[in-house]
Amino acid sequence: NAGVTQTPKFHILKIGQSMTLQCTQDMNHNYMYWYRQDPGMGLKLIYYSVGAGITDKGEVPNGYNVSRSTTEDFPLRLELAAPSQTSVYFCATDFSHFGNQPQHFGDGTRLSIL
Amino acid sequence: AQRVTQPEKLLSVFKGAPVELKCNYSYSGSPELFWYVQYSRQRLQLLLRHISRESIKGFTADLNKGETSFHLKKPFAQEEDSAMYYCALDMNYGGSQGNLIFGKGTKLSVKP
Repeated sequence: NAGVTQTPKFHILKIGQSMTLQCTQDMNHNYMYWYRQDPGMGLKLIYYSVGAGITDKGEVPNGYNVSRSTTEDFPLRLELAAPSQTSVYFCATDFSHFGNQPQHFGDGTRLSIL
Repeated sequence: AQRVTQPEKLLSVFKGAPVELKCNYSYSGSPELFWYVQYSRQRLQLLLRHISRESIKGFTADLNKGETSFHLKKPFAQEEDSAMYYCALDMNYGGSQGNLIFGKGTKLSVKP
């Protein structure tokens, strides 16, 4: 099993461009999350989803959109990229928030906006 | 406000020495705490969680509600322990939302 797969691993984007970061999982987990990690900082939650068709904002949702049409996929969309969105983006999943299951992380996408 | 504080950005010890990575939290509810680790060029992964009271790779962590701490300890550090360590607080344990608050991380460097 691949677990959580994020693509691309690296990308450079110009200011004002749009982009979708992909996240897919093969563990049939209900919960999926998007975090960003700025240099020297902890991870901050952008958006999360508790199941297909359901998404909600996290701590830092501005400038991002998500969708969850299937259990497997949870893409993150940047509509008008800004330099402040330069960061490493992590996707994570867990089976269920009840029962206190750990989150499984992808390798991350390192995004630079110039 | 809910917060997780890891006061040390970098902790450097010699192989065989004891190591303690500090984590303090601020949360009015009943906390659920985790330690995550990220080895070089690897993905972030769970090291241990408070509820399991387990020892993983020789590491242990005890929740001290009086001191609001969840320090990570290992009696004899190994070079392969060198990594970034993140303490995380689960604010909605048992609830319908997923919301982990992460500390900024501590880089552990174990020297030979």
